[in-house]
Amino acid sequence: GNSVTQMEGPVTLSEEAFLTINCTYTATGYPSLFWYVQYPGEGLQLLLKATKADDKGSNKGFEATYRKETTSFHLEKGSVQVSDSAVYFCALSGGTGRRALTFGSGTRLQVQP
Amino acid sequence: DTAVSQTPKYLVTQMGNDKSIKCEQNLGHDTMYWYKQDSKKFLKIMFSYNNKELIINETVPNRFSPKSPDKAHLNLHINSLELGDSAVYFCASSTQGTGNTIYFGEGSWLTVV
Repeated sequence: GNSVTQMEGPVTLSEEAFLTINCTYTATGYPSLFWYVQYPGEGLQLLLKATKADDKGSNKGFEATYRKETTSFHLEKGSVQVSDSAVYFCALSGGTGRRALTFGSGTRLQVQP
Repeated sequence: DTAVSQTPKYLVTQMGNDKSIKCEQNLGHDTMYWYKQDSKKFLKIMFSYNNKELIINETVPNRFSPKSPDKAHLNLHINSLELGDSAVYFCASSTQGTGNTIYFGEGSWLTVV
């Protein structure tokens, strides 16, 4: 079945530091890949997505590239802000599996001023 | 207007009680979901409905029963609540297609005491 593995947190960075959160997946076929963000006390919001190999999703300064050869979808941001503090979830849907999202375990990011 | 709305947002109840969480989406989507987020932030699909038909039913105790009166609504009824049912329950919706974005509600925080 489908599975997603992402780096454990918490990740603690200073403001303006470079962020990478690693995500790798296991799936047959050609899944779509997503990053969702959950701010404290809130629901999940889509941050970005990519639906085919080599696609790059981007939003709010965050980027991730769908790498089929390494089955990865790492999240990056060049300069984080305190307001980026949240839990980030990598997820996939489809392939030869089902439409519902399969999530990674989440990575908490704490950005200090 | 909120795209995916669920009520109540907070619910504290005693063991053994029966409770329901309601969900409505105004996005015109044909697929709706219930996810459970545990205390470690791990998210797992519970149920999915497409056009009022149950298409995903994970290994969930049969005390949990979803009901979809129409495409825009998916309610979750829980019988004989147990301490381990304490979690955040997220409703979500999407159109068909594995690359389509799944939109989440703000969550319902259930505490069983």
